[in-house]
Amino acid sequence: AQSVTQLGSHVSVSEGALVLLRCNYSSSVPPYLFWYVQYPNQGLQLLLKYTTGATLVKGINGFEAEFKKSETSFHLTKPSAHMSDAAEYFCAVMRGSGYALNFGKGTSLLVTP
Amino acid sequence: NAGVMQNPRHLVRRRGQEARLRCSPMKGHSHVYWYRQLPEEGLKFMVYLQKENIIDESGMPKERFSAEFPKEGPSILRIQQVVRGDSAAYFCASSPQGSSQSYEQYFGPGTRLTVT
Repeated sequence: AQSVTQLGSHVSVSEGALVLLRCNYSSSVPPYLFWYVQYPNQGLQLLLKYTTGATLVKGINGFEAEFKKSETSFHLTKPSAHMSDAAEYFCAVMRGSGYALNFGKGTSLLVTP
Repeated sequence: NAGVMQNPRHLVRRRGQEARLRCSPMKGHSHVYWYRQLPEEGLKFMVYLQKENIIDESGMPKERFSAEFPKEGPSILRIQQVVRGDSAAYFCASSPQGSSQSYEQYFGPGTRLTVT
């Protein structure tokens, strides 16, 4: 079964600092991996996805993630945090049934001035 | 193009009542997914439907929960005889048919169910 584990339920960074949110996956097949962001009381918005091809994936709002098969990881990064990046971030892997997803428990990102 | 719509946004039910949650997918989308988000947890897959068919309901509780996506109208998630443990945010997502290029789901704003 496909699953993801997000390390760190809360991450705090200073404005302008590097953002690193960790995600490791477990999959019996080549995984399709996603990062979503959720702002308070809202639905989820896709940040980026990896399916095939280039392992460094660029998404919206300056985020990117690198698929590393040898480390079974798909960590999310952003070079310089902005106050508006404060939100909940979810890593997800496709289940194999349609496009349904298995999500991690999420990481809450706090950005301090 | 309107996004995925869910209603109501907030729903309060007493224990033992029924809850009906509605989801209208994006125009042109024929795949619908329901997820549940409990406090302090990620989203858990519940059910995957196509028009008039349940494709995967492996995440649905065995009792009291049902889902449908009729030929006409929105998808409905129905919870009978609600209990306090059903209190959660329920999200619907949709994707277009045959979207093998994008594998993307588009999420609605969710329905927050509170059972008193």
